[in-house]
Amino acid sequence: QKEVEQNSGPLSVPEGAIASLNCTYSDRGSQSFFWYRQYSGKSPELIMFIYSNGDKEDGRFTAQLNKASQYVSLLIRDSQPSDSATYLCAVVNSNYQLIWGAGTKLIIKP
Amino acid sequence: EAQVTQNPRYLITVTGKKLTVTCSQNMNHEYMSWYRQDPGLGLRQIYYSMNVEVTDKGDVPEGYKVSRKEKRNFPLILESPSPNQTSLYFCASSQSWGPSSYEQYFGPGTRLTVT
Repeated sequence: QKEVEQNSGPLSVPEGAIASLNCTYSDRGSQSFFWYRQYSGKSPELIMFIYSNGDKEDGRFTAQLNKASQYVSLLIRDSQPSDSATYLCAVVNSNYQLIWGAGTKLIIKP
Repeated sequence: EAQVTQNPRYLITVTGKKLTVTCSQNMNHEYMSWYRQDPGLGLRQIYYSMNVEVTDKGDVPEGYKVSRKEKRNFPLILESPSPNQTSLYFCASSQSWGPSSYEQYFGPGTRLTVT
């Protein structure tokens, strides 16, 4: 079992709909959680981070953390074609190591 | 402009020919790291550095060397490249490494092909 798991996708979502991306992690002592976006052939860029249980909103993006169930989600409202990218989940575990998921490819269909 | 730069961006080389990929950041960050990214495997850390003269192995250090003689520079050295080191390489930096300082800034990437 990988320490951080994401569905590789592709996840296809119509333009204007809500895209929901999920990430599960195995280390219950994990403390910090990140979502990065990576366009094809480009470097990852940080979208959001979340440290506490619950929701954190930033514009069209909402990160949700549930430590009891060991998952973190990213919701993208009003999805745009420019949101089409691979979304990487990264988790700082109890050993202060940053562990990356393999990413979910998101396709927004016009 | 705050940024992480890498050179070269693209490199095709032959097995056994030593090469260096440079990485430089202008944000006065303490923490720097090298990753390789391969399809289906995500980002895997090669080496990292908490500060000048302090480096440590990541998950896949075999076949790589690094040095951190200055705060801004963190070159990646492949002494004898092999085809299994064909990959997309990213350098990243972070202000430090601790709570509230895990956010990393990535360079543009170096696509390396070893034939």
